[in-house]
Amino acid sequence: LAKTTQPISMDSYEGQEVNITCSHNNIATNDYITWYQQFPSQGPRFIIQGYKTKVTNEVASLFIPADRKSSTLSLPRVSLSDTAVYYCLVGDITGGFKTIFGAGTRLFVKA
Amino acid sequence: SAVISQKPSRDICQRGTSLTIQCQVDSQVTMMFWYRQQPGQSLTLIATANQGSEATYESGFVIDKFPISRPNLTFSTLTVSNMSPEDSSIYLCSVEEGMDRNTEAFFGQGTRLTVV
Repeated sequence: LAKTTQPISMDSYEGQEVNITCSHNNIATNDYITWYQQFPSQGPRFIIQGYKTKVTNEVASLFIPADRKSSTLSLPRVSLSDTAVYYCLVGDITGGFKTIFGAGTRLFVKA
Repeated sequence: SAVISQKPSRDICQRGTSLTIQCQVDSQVTMMFWYRQQPGQSLTLIATANQGSEATYESGFVIDKFPISRPNLTFSTLTVSNMSPEDSSIYLCSVEEGMDRNTEAFFGQGTRLTVV
């Protein structure tokens, strides 16, 4: 499983766009990139998943450059309720994917 | 999406005792996963539970300390045995499903264990 590196914490203000970058230099050909969000006293929740280029859903966008050695989670116009820990995970999602968590990024959104 | 129920949601236990945590899923799944999350830390995978076979434990976790049962495709239990204060953590159950071309992990709300 590829190791991931993320910033430990980030601060932002309401209404701003937040970009969290994850490094995964030894990503394998079959690996996908997945991001999870975790609020205090809750289990993690899936945000977005991608393999290459750009993926967008109603919550976030995921940008993956051609070499796939990093990825950026983009949260548009954050609110106070986006304060959470964000985890970047990399792994082969076929045939039973063990979800292995790194340290995550603690995002603090201020008023 | 899978809905996971865990019991109990929290407990305070005496050292040296054991606690069994239950995890119920609303659909049949091949694999279930158990995690531990210590205060302020990320999640650590304890083991993978397959129905009909012994659980597969990650490095640092052993069956004698964390026995797991998986009697059917919707249910699993994790027992924390001979507890010490260092076992105070949140324990989470998880399953994975393919959803709209993604593979997502779904988590229960967790069991907050305090050992005194």
